[in-house]
Amino acid sequence: ETILTQSPVTLSLSPGERASLACRASQSVGNSLAWYQQRPGQAPRLLIYDASNRATGIPDRFSGSGSGTDFILTITSLEADDFAVYYCQQRDSWPLTFGPGTRVDIK
Amino acid sequence: EVQLVESGGGLVQPGGSLRLSCEASGFTVSNNYIAWVRQAPGKGLDWVASVYSSGSTYSKDSVKGRFTISRDISKNTVDLQMNSLRVEDTALYYCARGYCSGGTCHAGWFDPWGQGTPVIVSS
Repeated sequence: ETILTQSPVTLSLSPGERASLACRASQSVGNSLAWYQQRPGQAPRLLIYDASNRATGIPDRFSGSGSGTDFILTITSLEADDFAVYYCQQRDSWPLTFGPGTRVDIK
Repeated sequence: EVQLVESGGGLVQPGGSLRLSCEASGFTVSNNYIAWVRQAPGKGLDWVASVYSSGSTYSKDSVKGRFTISRDISKNTVDLQMNSLRVEDTALYYCARGYCSGGTCHAGWFDPWGQGTPVIVSS
């Protein structure tokens, strides 16, 4: 099973600041990694797939990078709606797995 | 509009059974990848099972032999039959479709998601 580790656990930032969230895989997943955002009380939504492709309707302040075992989700200039929990997920091998999440909260 | 609506959750005793249903609108389940993903209270996301457009199914080891994912083409639903339920199966159960964009659908990436149906396993 591919274990995904996310860091930091919590990121406290102010609106307008830049956020960098990390996801590390226990073995290479190539570029088979996605990022999801989950706001309180809501279902997750897909932000980034195949490591760096933005999903339809996702603002360009969200970007993904990395390959193999190390990945980054960057949010430039945080807006109020961006304070949420972010999960990475791999589809390279069974079982499909998610990271434990990074909470981005308002400083 | 593409939409997924889950139903069938509830309170059940350990060892009991439930059948969850995911009703799709705006697309046909027979042509798409659909998955069930759960989230225990205050915890992260946990993939449970998937069905491909081909009909092939996959599930995580801890539910194999207990949970079965299937499609009902006549109702345009994907169901999750859950037997021998355990306390640790308590969660909000979401269904999600494989992400589609520009005519290409990506099995294994999930979007959109339903709003979930709660399953509580307790005596």
